[in-house]
Amino acid sequence: EPEVTQTPSHQVTQMGQEVILRCVPISNHLYFYWYRQILGQKVEFLVSFYNNEISEKSEIFDDQFSVERPDGSNFTLKIRSTKLEDSAMYFCASSEAGRGTSGNNEQFFGPGTRLTVL
Amino acid sequence: AQKITQTQPGMFVQEKEAVTLDCTYDTSDPSYGLFWYKQPSSGEMIFLIYQGSYDQQNATEGRYSLNFQKARKSANLVISASQLGDSAMYFCAMRVPSTGRRALTFGSGTRLQVQP
Repeated sequence: EPEVTQTPSHQVTQMGQEVILRCVPISNHLYFYWYRQILGQKVEFLVSFYNNEISEKSEIFDDQFSVERPDGSNFTLKIRSTKLEDSAMYFCASSEAGRGTSGNNEQFFGPGTRLTVL
Repeated sequence: AQKITQTQPGMFVQEKEAVTLDCTYDTSDPSYGLFWYKQPSSGEMIFLIYQGSYDQQNATEGRYSLNFQKARKSANLVISASQLGDSAMYFCAMRVPSTGRRALTFGSGTRLQVQP
């Protein structure tokens, strides 16, 4: 069964360093997403990506963040200068084009990357 | 704005019994989708069940069913015959497509512990 994969599973970095989190979405999916979950808290949306551009972003996704689909299979999230509060689990997700009027576009989540900023 | 509320931070259930996890939502849009995800201790997010606002029947997927009460804006997850492997965090989420947003809005989650 196809699945979303993410690397690395755990990333430890020093405050102020740049990190790149990598994701390989399911191959026939068109929409890609990044979410984050600070330990013990709810899952929060960061950004969605469609047709090689950002289609939607939250207020969390500021200028420190960027996304890219460099080679047609990988989908990356870059944090330019990490802060302590960026420590969280980062989930990549992908979905097919939405169907119907009730919003059923099941998003398949990857296993997550746990980012620890020291 | 959309909002999802899960009022039960933690729940306990005996193995083989049924349990209901509460979820209420707030949207003024008539078209929306509701999702439940399971997050075991390993951290991954596993899709469980979906309910569309126009669906005539409550969704069911194996031991999971959704008690959808539109007038009350609730979409409670019912797990029948609980198993030890059901111990996990459970998140309710919503999407409102007419807004053009594809992002899911999640609730704060309920931690379910199944006791032998």
